[in-house]
Amino acid sequence: NAGVTQTPKFQVLKTGQSMTLQCAQDMNHEYMSWYRQDPGMGLRLIHYSVGAGITDQGEVPNGYNVSRLNKREFSLRLESTAPSQTSVYFCASSYHAGGPGNEQFFGPGTRLTVL
Amino acid sequence: AQSVTQLDSQVPVFEEAPVELRCNYSSSVSVYLFWYVQYPNQGLQLLLKYLSGSTLVKGINGFEAEFNKSQTSFHLRKPSVHISDTAEYFCAVSESNTGGFKTIFGAGTRLFVKA
Repeated sequence: NAGVTQTPKFQVLKTGQSMTLQCAQDMNHEYMSWYRQDPGMGLRLIHYSVGAGITDQGEVPNGYNVSRLNKREFSLRLESTAPSQTSVYFCASSYHAGGPGNEQFFGPGTRLTVL
Repeated sequence: AQSVTQLDSQVPVFEEAPVELRCNYSSSVSVYLFWYVQYPNQGLQLLLKYLSGSTLVKGINGFEAEFNKSQTSFHLRKPSVHISDTAEYFCAVSESNTGGFKTIFGAGTRLFVKA
């Protein structure tokens, strides 16, 4: 039982390059989400998904796209990156039944630097 | 719209002293409140949560929190801290919406426990 896994762990990009962050969970959770963590700002919700093919925007969706092809995986796509997207990105998952009262389980994070 | 304010960005405290980390929230509907802890270079893990019922909630590692609806607060306390409690602590509020639910995090409080 690996929980929530994220790849890659680290990435350095040049401005304008694109990349996809991968997230997978083996807990049969319906709900998955992506956050970014910046110093002094806590975690901010980028996008979330309540099931395959169903996604919605969070607090800071601009510059990010997501894809939920199946229950297990939820990817975050950054097109034409900017230095402002330098951050640590966390994926999280939880059961959807019971909704907002459920604990979220977090991955180890991806540290992204955009030069 | 929901929001979370953590009133202290850093809290230094000596080992075996008591500590209180403060959190205020705003929400337009019934709320679910959480405290998560993040140890260095790791993802977040749940300390405790308030869903309903008793306003005093006990969590892991000797932490507890008290929900105060009139003051819209959810402060975290521990009567005697250890060096190993050094970490960043996040308060979060979660509520339902039409697409599922959203969890909003505070900016975090960094707890330093000194010998």
